[in-house]
Amino acid sequence: DAGVTQTPRHEVAEKGQTIILKCEPVSGHNDLFWYRQTKIQGLELLSYFRSKSLMEDGGAFKDRFKAEMLNSSFSTLKIQPTEPKDSAVYLCASSFGTYQAPLFGEGTRLSVL
Amino acid sequence: QQQVRQSPQSLTVWEGETAILNCSYENSAFDYFPWYQQFPGEGPALLISILSVSDKKEDGRFTIFFNKREKKLSLHIADSQPGDSATYFCAASLPGTGSNRLTFGKGTKFSLIP
Repeated sequence: DAGVTQTPRHEVAEKGQTIILKCEPVSGHNDLFWYRQTKIQGLELLSYFRSKSLMEDGGAFKDRFKAEMLNSSFSTLKIQPTEPKDSAVYLCASSFGTYQAPLFGEGTRLSVL
Repeated sequence: QQQVRQSPQSLTVWEGETAILNCSYENSAFDYFPWYQQFPGEGPALLISILSVSDKKEDGRFTIFFNKREKKLSLHIADSQPGDSATYFCAASLPGTGSNRLTFGKGTKFSLIP
């Protein structure tokens, strides 16, 4: 069974650039989550979709971060413009049903110079 | 305010020992608690989970003990093996709302004494 697929695995951007990270959830899953992971802050929720509808948009991330779910099998996270403090691992996860722990992708490691 | 706390930040034990990783939470409405294991360069992977109606859950060498009154839980790793070296995250959710949205602790980095 295919798991959650994230591309690219690594991204290097210059300050001020626009970058787009991609995620393909597990087929049939209707919950999709974007998290940011850093050593200091740990795992922080950026966005949460249920059946393609945006349920939660992490308050602190609203201004430069935008997640979209174009269809049930594809989501993007756009960061515009990027700043060095955005350097982190970005994780996508999906789940279906209640009491089902989300399944995570391997993440995209972003470095902003 | 951090809703899920983990301790210690890092833990090192001898091979074969039992390791205990602790977790506590603020919101008494949390009712589902998955633990994730993460290796460097990989995403977190579900290890074991427990519902708030239970006080214990076992899966091989891994056991969760849950104390609802004190809002605490712990993950016990019996007979620790080198392959267990990883970061472990405690998480909590409110599935009663129909959501699997997780609140995570900051993790415990676990390793074995070489």
